Formats: sequence, structure tokens, C-alpha cells
Amino acid sequence: GQQLNQSPQSMFIQEGEDVSMNCTSSSIFNTWLWYKQDPGEGPVLLIALYKAGELTSNGRLTAQFGITRKDSFLNISASIPSDVGIYFCAGQLRQGSGNTPLVFGKGTRLSVIA
Amino acid sequence: DVKVTQSSRYLVKRTGEKVFLECVQDMDHENMFWYRQDPGLGLRLIYFSYDVKMKEKGDIPEGYSVSREKKERFSLILESASTNQTSMYLCASSSPSRARAPQHFGDGTRLSIL
Repeated sequence: GQQLNQSPQSMFIQEGEDVSMNCTSSSIFNTWLWYKQDPGEGPVLLIALYKAGELTSNGRLTAQFGITRKDSFLNISASIPSDVGIYFCAGQLRQGSGNTPLVFGKGTRLSVIA
Repeated sequence: DVKVTQSSRYLVKRTGEKVFLECVQDMDHENMFWYRQDPGLGLRLIYFSYDVKMKEKGDIPEGYSVSREKKERFSLILESASTNQTSMYLCASSSPSRARAPQHFGDGTRLSIL
């Protein structure tokens, strides 16, 4: 099945640093989603993007829907220890939650060193 | 808030057993999904369902079946469990009738097949 190219695969950063990760695809998507998964838990939605060029923030998190509709990035500013986890991007061909399954990236594992 | 509940957080079964994983959502969502998550492979779609008694194969349906007898419940069945089905299983739901309503996940079932 189709997958997104998500990078980096893993990151080790110092507390207080900013983080950036991205996803690219050969296909156009109409929806981009970013999820975070804590150890032993299910993914939790962080940010949803529905329009090319859209820039959306959620606290210290900022995500953008690429203008070509083939990429998206997630930034975390001033990282803290609880940011540790796996971050997944997901794309969907139809807007909203229509009858088209999500396509997921393989995840970025973030470790924060205090 | 959307609540997706998976019946077991941890499950240990033996090779050859028939295994049922249950998922219930309380938001009247039409769509429900089953994924498995393995290190380095991200989330892979097993089966999904758009409505009661309807099912569609995902990317890796082999060795699995599903049942959707009621709208709120989606069951994943391992007909004859094998060790290569040891994995984290995640259920999700969404509603195509609600604009901009992305998938929400349960906390996962970590299944070990001995």
C-alpha cells in the first residue's frame, strides 16, 4: 500500500530546542493530519490541515499544508520532556473523514534530553 | 470527546487459537478501521468498514477477518493465530457525514502469540 515519506526517522534533542519534521508524497492529498503517540498508547490527533498553504498552530506546535499538496511539516518550539513520543503524519485524498482511508508515514521518534 | 475503546490492552494467546479483538466507539461514527503497528513499519491498514455489515480489505488483510454487526462495534478476528501476528493493534473511527472530522484512535491492544 501507499505510504508517505516521513523524516527524520528519529531525533535526539536537548530540552528547549526547536524541532522540525516533514512528510512528502508523490500523490496529492486534500487533508493532512499530525498525530502523536505516547508509549503504550494510541495516536492522538495534534493538528488537522484542510487547505493548501494552511498554517495552523496548537500551542507550541505549528503545522503547514504544503502549497503543492504533496507535503506537510510539523514544528515544535521550545521542546520539553513530555514531547517525547512518536509523531505520525497522515494524508487523505478526500477532505474530512470521507470514505477514503488515511495513508500514514512511518513516524518520527522524538527523544528529549533534559 | 470521541471515545474509542478497545476491549483489552494486553492479550497473550497461543498459536492456532481463534482470537477476537473488540472495538467500540460512542460517537455514532459510520467508519471504523483496524490497523497493526510494528516497529519501523508504521501503521498498516488491515480492514475497514463504512457501515454495518460492510467491510473492505486494507493493505494487509491476509490471516484476518472482521465483523460489523452493530454500528458502534467492529471486531477483528484472527482465525488461526500465528506468531507473525504478534503486534500492536489499533482501532479507529471517523464520520464521513461530519465535515473535517478526522480519525480518532483507541489505546491499542498489544497482542502476543506464543
